[in-house]
Amino acid sequence: QKEVEQDPGPLSVPEGAIVSLNCTYSNSAFQYFMWYRQYSRKGPELLMYTYSSGNKEDGRFTAQVDKSSKYISLFIRDSQPSDSATYLCAMSRGGFKTIFGAGTRLFVKA
Amino acid sequence: NAGVTQTPKFQVLKTGQSMTLQCAQDMNHNSMYWYRQDPGMGLRLIYYSASEGTTDKGEVPNGYNVSRLNKREFSLRLESAAPSQTSVYFCASSSRGGANTGELFFGEGSRLTVL
Repeated sequence: QKEVEQDPGPLSVPEGAIVSLNCTYSNSAFQYFMWYRQYSRKGPELLMYTYSSGNKEDGRFTAQVDKSSKYISLFIRDSQPSDSATYLCAMSRGGFKTIFGAGTRLFVKA
Repeated sequence: NAGVTQTPKFQVLKTGQSMTLQCAQDMNHNSMYWYRQDPGMGLRLIYYSASEGTTDKGEVPNGYNVSRLNKREFSLRLESAAPSQTSVYFCASSSRGGANTGELFFGEGSRLTVL
C-alpha cells in the first residue's frame, strides 16, 4: 500500500466550476501538507502549504486537512482554463523526505 | 532570477553508458534533492543533500551516485544506465525551514531515455 493515494483522473470540468481534488494517506506522523501544481513538461511548483489540521485559503484556492480521517483536499473556485495541470499532493513528517502523491490531471474547458 | 537550473533537458543513452545530470540553484538554499517521476508513481526521492558536504539516500538510490559540489550545485550520476532508469529527473532545493515543511523549489526536469 502506498503511503499517499491520489486519484490520477483525468478530471474534466467546465470553466467556472468548483474543483475538488483529494488525497488519502496512511501515516499519522505526517504534519505538513502541500499541494503542488505541475504544468505539462514543467517542474512542480508549490501552491499551498498547511501545517496540521484545518483550512487555508489563498485566492481561489482552499486547502483542507482532516488528520482524523487522514484526508486532504484542494478546492479551486471559479476554475479557469489556465488551471489545467496536474496537481500533486505532498506530505512531510518534518525532515527531508517529502512524500508525493501520483498526481491528478485536471482539464478545465473554456 | 533563474531559480533551479538543470542540464541537460533531454538525453538518450544506451544500456551500460554513464552520464551526469547537473543542477544549480541561485536562491542560496542549504538543501538540494534529486527526484525521479514515473507515470503512476509520483515523485520519488533518489538522494538529498541537507547541506554542503553531506548527502543521504532517499527512497530509490540504487544505481545512482551524487555529489554536492558546493552550496549551489548538486549532480546526479548514472554509472551504468539501465532501461529501468528511463524517467524524468527533477532537481529541487529548499531553505532550512523549507526542508522541514516540504516547501521545495523544482527545476524544469531532465528527460532521460535508456535504450
